[in-house]
Amino acid sequence: AQTVTQSQPEMSVQEAETVTLSCTYDTSENNYYLFWYKQPPSRQMILVIRQEAYKQQNATENRFSVNFQKAAKSFSLKISDSQLGDTAMYFCAFVALHRGNQFYFGTGTSLTVIP
Amino acid sequence: ETGVTQSPTHLIKTRGQQVTLRCSSQSGHNTVSWYQQALGQGPQFIFQYYREEENGRGNFPPRFSGLQFPNYSSELNVNALELDDSALYLCASSLGGLQGAVSGNTIYFGEGSWLTVV
Repeated sequence: AQTVTQSQPEMSVQEAETVTLSCTYDTSENNYYLFWYKQPPSRQMILVIRQEAYKQQNATENRFSVNFQKAAKSFSLKISDSQLGDTAMYFCAFVALHRGNQFYFGTGTSLTVIP
Repeated sequence: ETGVTQSPTHLIKTRGQQVTLRCSSQSGHNTVSWYQQALGQGPQFIFQYYREEENGRGNFPPRFSGLQFPNYSSELNVNALELDDSALYLCASSLGGLQGAVSGNTIYFGEGSWLTVV
Protein backbone atom coordinates (compact mmCIF):
# COMPACT_ATOMS: atom_id res chain seq x y z
CA ALA A 1 0.00 0.00 0.00
CA GLN A 2 1.06 3.54 -0.64
CA THR A 3 0.81 6.41 1.83
CA VAL A 4 1.48 10.10 1.35
CA THR A 5 2.03 12.40 4.31
CA GLN A 6 1.91 16.18 4.40
CA SER A 7 2.80 17.37 7.89
CA GLN A 8 2.01 21.06 7.42
CA PRO A 9 -1.76 21.63 7.49
CA GLU A 10 -1.39 25.39 7.01
CA MET A 11 1.34 27.74 5.87
CA SER A 12 1.61 31.39 4.98
CA VAL A 13 4.14 33.43 3.06
CA GLN A 14 4.62 37.07 2.19
CA GLU A 15 4.08 38.02 -1.41
CA ALA A 16 7.32 37.74 -3.45
CA GLU A 17 8.94 35.50 -0.84
CA THR A 18 9.82 31.81 -1.10
CA VAL A 19 8.02 28.96 0.64
CA THR A 20 8.62 25.21 0.81
CA LEU A 21 5.88 22.63 1.30
CA SER A 22 6.87 19.21 2.62
CA CYS A 23 5.75 15.76 1.55
CA THR A 24 6.90 12.27 2.44
CA TYR A 25 5.62 9.00 1.05
CA ASP A 26 5.94 5.31 1.63
CA THR A 27 5.84 2.64 -1.04
CA SER A 28 7.33 -0.68 -1.99
CA GLU A 29 7.13 0.22 -5.68
CA ASN A 30 10.34 0.94 -7.56
CA ASN A 31 8.83 2.86 -10.44
CA TYR A 32 6.40 5.64 -9.79
CA TYR A 33 5.53 9.27 -10.33
CA LEU A 34 5.04 12.10 -7.90
CA PHE A 35 2.90 15.16 -8.38
CA TRP A 36 1.96 18.39 -6.74
CA TYR A 37 -1.58 19.56 -7.39
CA LYS A 38 -3.14 22.90 -6.51
CA GLN A 39 -6.81 23.08 -5.53
CA PRO A 40 -8.23 26.61 -5.39
CA PRO A 41 -11.67 27.34 -3.89
CA SER A 42 -13.26 26.31 -7.21
CA ARG A 43 -12.13 22.75 -6.25
CA GLN A 44 -10.58 22.18 -9.70
CA MET A 45 -7.39 20.16 -9.35
CA ILE A 46 -4.60 21.90 -11.25
CA LEU A 47 -1.29 20.18 -11.97
CA VAL A 48 1.64 22.19 -10.61
CA ILE A 49 4.58 19.88 -11.26
CA ARG A 50 5.39 16.24 -11.97
CA GLN A 51 8.47 14.13 -11.17
CA GLU A 52 9.44 10.74 -12.54
CA ALA A 53 11.04 8.66 -9.80
CA TYR A 54 13.70 7.26 -12.13
CA LYS A 55 15.00 10.75 -12.88
CA GLN A 56 17.55 12.12 -10.46
CA GLN A 57 17.19 15.64 -11.75
CA ASN A 58 14.64 17.68 -9.86
CA ALA A 59 11.70 18.97 -11.91
CA THR A 60 11.15 22.70 -12.35
CA GLU A 61 8.25 24.66 -13.82
CA ASN A 62 8.82 28.40 -13.83
CA ARG A 63 8.52 29.52 -10.17
CA PHE A 64 7.89 25.98 -8.95
CA SER A 65 10.59 23.41 -8.24
CA VAL A 66 10.89 20.23 -6.25
CA ASN A 67 13.50 18.64 -4.04
CA PHE A 68 13.15 14.90 -4.67
CA GLN A 69 15.07 12.64 -2.31
CA LYS A 70 14.24 9.09 -3.37
CA ALA A 71 16.14 7.30 -0.62
CA ALA A 72 14.46 9.42 2.02
CA LYS A 73 11.11 9.22 0.19
CA SER A 74 10.77 12.95 0.37
CA PHE A 75 9.26 15.27 -2.23
CA SER A 76 9.05 18.94 -1.25
CA LEU A 77 7.71 21.80 -3.35
CA LYS A 78 9.41 25.19 -3.44
CA ILE A 79 7.46 28.19 -4.64
CA SER A 80 9.59 31.22 -5.47
CA ASP A 81 8.37 34.81 -5.84
CA SER A 82 5.02 33.87 -4.29
CA GLN A 83 1.99 35.52 -5.83
CA LEU A 84 -1.49 36.12 -4.47
CA GLY A 85 -2.86 33.65 -7.00
CA ASP A 86 -0.81 30.90 -5.37
CA THR A 87 -3.21 30.91 -2.41
CA ALA A 88 -4.83 27.45 -2.46
CA MET A 89 -4.71 23.95 -1.05
CA TYR A 90 -1.69 22.00 -2.26
CA PHE A 91 -1.75 18.21 -2.49
CA CYS A 92 1.17 15.88 -2.94
CA ALA A 93 0.24 12.75 -4.90
CA PHE A 94 1.74 9.41 -5.92
CA VAL A 95 1.00 7.14 -8.88
CA ALA A 96 2.72 3.80 -9.45
CA LEU A 97 3.88 2.76 -12.89
CA HIS A 98 1.19 1.13 -15.01
CA ARG A 99 -1.54 2.28 -12.65
CA GLY A 100 -3.09 4.91 -14.89
CA ASN A 101 -4.85 7.57 -12.85
CA GLN A 102 -4.76 5.69 -9.55
CA PHE A 103 -3.51 8.54 -7.38
CA TYR A 104 -2.77 8.46 -3.68
CA PHE A 105 -3.03 11.96 -2.20
CA GLY A 106 -1.77 13.52 0.99
CA THR A 107 -4.06 15.46 3.32
CA GLY A 108 -3.02 18.79 1.86
CA THR A 109 -1.37 22.03 2.92
CA SER A 110 -3.39 25.23 2.90
CA LEU A 111 -1.12 28.00 1.62
CA THR A 112 -1.98 31.66 2.08
CA VAL A 113 0.02 34.36 0.33
CA ILE A 114 -0.11 37.59 2.31
CA PRO A 115 -0.02 40.90 0.41
CA GLU B 1 -11.35 24.39 -18.98
CA THR B 2 -10.37 20.73 -18.78
CA GLY B 3 -13.09 19.18 -20.88
CA VAL B 4 -14.22 16.99 -17.98
CA THR B 5 -17.79 17.65 -16.91
CA GLN B 6 -19.37 16.25 -13.79
CA SER B 7 -23.05 16.27 -12.93
CA PRO B 8 -24.87 17.16 -10.85
CA THR B 9 -22.72 19.83 -9.21
CA HIS B 10 -24.62 19.69 -5.92
CA LEU B 11 -27.20 17.35 -4.51
CA ILE B 12 -28.77 16.39 -1.21
CA LYS B 13 -29.88 12.85 -0.42
CA THR B 14 -31.40 11.11 2.56
CA ARG B 15 -29.64 8.34 4.43
CA GLY B 16 -30.44 4.96 2.88
CA GLN B 17 -31.10 6.36 -0.59
CA GLN B 18 -29.11 5.67 -3.72
CA VAL B 19 -27.23 8.21 -5.87
CA THR B 20 -25.70 8.25 -9.35
CA LEU B 21 -22.97 10.72 -10.26
CA ARG B 22 -21.81 11.24 -13.83
CA CYS B 23 -18.54 12.15 -15.49
CA SER B 24 -18.19 13.12 -19.14
CA SER B 25 -14.67 13.48 -20.44
CA GLN B 26 -12.94 14.43 -23.65
CA SER B 27 -13.26 12.16 -26.65
CA GLY B 28 -10.94 9.19 -26.48
CA HIS B 29 -10.18 9.41 -22.76
CA ASN B 30 -10.23 5.68 -22.08
CA THR B 31 -9.22 5.82 -18.42
CA VAL B 32 -11.31 7.35 -15.67
CA SER B 33 -10.86 7.26 -11.93
CA TRP B 34 -13.13 8.41 -9.12
CA TYR B 35 -12.21 10.00 -5.81
CA GLN B 36 -14.01 10.90 -2.60
CA GLN B 37 -12.83 14.10 -0.91
CA ALA B 38 -14.27 14.71 2.54
CA LEU B 39 -14.16 18.24 3.89
CA GLY B 40 -10.62 19.18 4.89
CA GLN B 41 -9.14 15.96 3.54
CA GLY B 42 -7.26 14.84 0.47
CA PRO B 43 -9.04 12.87 -2.25
CA GLN B 44 -9.32 9.14 -1.60
CA PHE B 45 -9.16 6.73 -4.56
CA ILE B 46 -12.42 4.81 -5.04
CA PHE B 47 -11.83 2.92 -8.30
CA GLN B 48 -10.59 3.22 -11.84
CA TYR B 49 -12.08 2.10 -15.16
CA TYR B 50 -10.03 1.31 -18.25
CA ARG B 51 -11.82 0.40 -21.47
CA GLU B 52 -15.09 -0.25 -19.63
CA GLU B 53 -13.62 -2.61 -17.04
CA GLU B 54 -12.77 -1.90 -13.42
CA ASN B 55 -9.01 -1.79 -13.02
CA GLY B 56 -8.02 -0.97 -9.48
CA ARG B 57 -10.13 -0.32 -6.40
CA GLY B 58 -9.47 1.52 -3.19
CA ASN B 59 -10.70 0.71 0.29
CA PHE B 60 -14.39 1.31 -0.35
CA PRO B 61 -17.27 -1.12 0.26
CA PRO B 62 -19.18 -2.83 -2.57
CA ARG B 63 -22.06 -0.37 -2.26
CA PHE B 64 -19.77 1.95 -4.25
CA SER B 65 -19.96 0.77 -7.84
CA GLY B 66 -19.33 2.21 -11.25
CA LEU B 67 -19.66 1.93 -14.98
CA GLN B 68 -17.75 3.16 -17.98
CA PHE B 69 -19.64 3.37 -21.26
CA PRO B 70 -18.39 2.80 -24.83
CA ASN B 71 -18.09 6.56 -25.27
CA TYR B 72 -15.91 6.51 -22.13
CA SER B 73 -18.29 8.54 -20.01
CA SER B 74 -18.63 7.12 -16.53
CA GLU B 75 -20.99 6.78 -13.58
CA LEU B 76 -20.41 6.36 -9.88
CA ASN B 77 -23.26 4.72 -7.98
CA VAL B 78 -23.56 4.66 -4.22
CA ASN B 79 -26.26 2.54 -2.56
CA ALA B 80 -27.57 2.70 0.99
CA LEU B 81 -26.16 6.16 1.59
CA GLU B 82 -24.62 6.91 4.97
CA LEU B 83 -23.96 10.27 6.57
CA ASP B 84 -20.20 9.76 6.13
CA ASP B 85 -20.68 9.59 2.37
CA SER B 86 -21.13 13.38 2.40
CA ALA B 87 -18.18 14.65 0.35
CA LEU B 88 -16.96 16.07 -2.93
CA TYR B 89 -16.68 13.36 -5.59
CA LEU B 90 -14.07 13.97 -8.26
CA CYS B 91 -13.40 12.16 -11.49
CA ALA B 92 -10.15 12.23 -13.43
CA SER B 93 -9.73 11.11 -17.02
CA SER B 94 -6.91 10.66 -19.50
CA LEU B 95 -6.25 9.01 -22.85
CA GLY B 96 -3.06 7.30 -21.79
CA GLY B 97 -4.62 4.14 -20.41
CA LEU B 98 -2.65 2.49 -17.67
CA GLN B 99 0.43 4.13 -19.09
CA GLY B 100 -1.06 7.53 -18.44
CA ALA B 101 1.48 8.75 -15.98
CA VAL B 102 4.34 7.10 -17.86
CA SER B 103 3.57 8.57 -21.23
CA GLY B 104 3.09 11.98 -19.78
CA ASN B 105 -0.48 12.22 -20.95
CA THR B 106 -2.29 14.96 -19.18
CA ILE B 107 -4.75 13.83 -16.57
CA TYR B 108 -7.81 16.04 -16.35
CA PHE B 109 -9.91 16.49 -13.24
CA GLY B 110 -13.52 17.60 -13.18
CA GLU B 111 -14.81 20.19 -10.72
CA GLY B 112 -16.63 17.55 -8.72
CA SER B 113 -20.08 16.76 -7.42
CA TRP B 114 -20.93 17.86 -3.90
CA LEU B 115 -23.03 15.21 -2.15
CA THR B 116 -24.71 15.93 1.16
CA VAL B 117 -26.40 13.06 2.97
CA VAL B 118 -28.91 14.05 5.66
